Amino acid sequence: DGGITQSPKYLFRKEGQNVTLSCEQNLNHDAMYWYRQDPGQGLRLIYYSQIVNDFQKGDIAEGYSVSREKKESFPLTVTSAQKNPTAFYLCASWAGRHQETQYFGPGTRLLVL
Amino acid sequence: AQSVTQPDIHITVSEGASLELRCNYSYGATPYLFWYVQSPGQGLQLLLKYFSGDTLVQGIKGFEAEFKRSQSSFNLRKPSVHWSDAAEYFCAAFTGGGNKLTFGTGTQLKVEL
Repeated sequence: DGGITQSPKYLFRKEGQNVTLSCEQNLNHDAMYWYRQDPGQGLRLIYYSQIVNDFQKGDIAEGYSVSREKKESFPLTVTSAQKNPTAFYLCASWAGRHQETQYFGPGTRLLVL
Repeated sequence: AQSVTQPDIHITVSEGASLELRCNYSYGATPYLFWYVQSPGQGLQLLLKYFSGDTLVQGIKGFEAEFKRSQSSFNLRKPSVHWSDAAEYFCAAFTGGGNKLTFGTGTQLKVEL
């Protein structure tokens, strides 16, 4: 079955540590997205990539970094510069056709120790 | 600025009662509109979408939504709610720039037995 996988399901970060969240899709979608979800704030866009080796900042990119070396993969690194990283992180992909919507992975919950 | 508003943070309904969740958008032109549902700790699942044409759209799980241009609204409805419908519901609009979705802040639905 085609879909989006995210790992790990739960991730713990220590102070000053960088952590990387994995996102993989086998839908052959060109575009991929990272969202952060906090209670009462909906989903906010962190970074997105429309093609391999290219990505753009979203609304809350500070303290995060991404790479897009392969079409299937769009990992997100939460750096030590992100002072409030505790949140639920969702990855999504899009086929690029306006009649289609974005498909979402199951999410990763990041907690700070 | 372009935005999506869900005025109700929490809604409680009795099982078997009808449901309406409100969504308003603010865009220069009619955007593509979506409703998603999220169970606790899970990703988002698409309920339905509106691109053009018939203003009443049918979705999965017995949901429907009506697009009203004059009111800039896209409200989600269900005639008879089931206990399993308890979840968080998000309205979203597709903006052409960067192929990005803009989300409302969500409505948490509680179903009383």
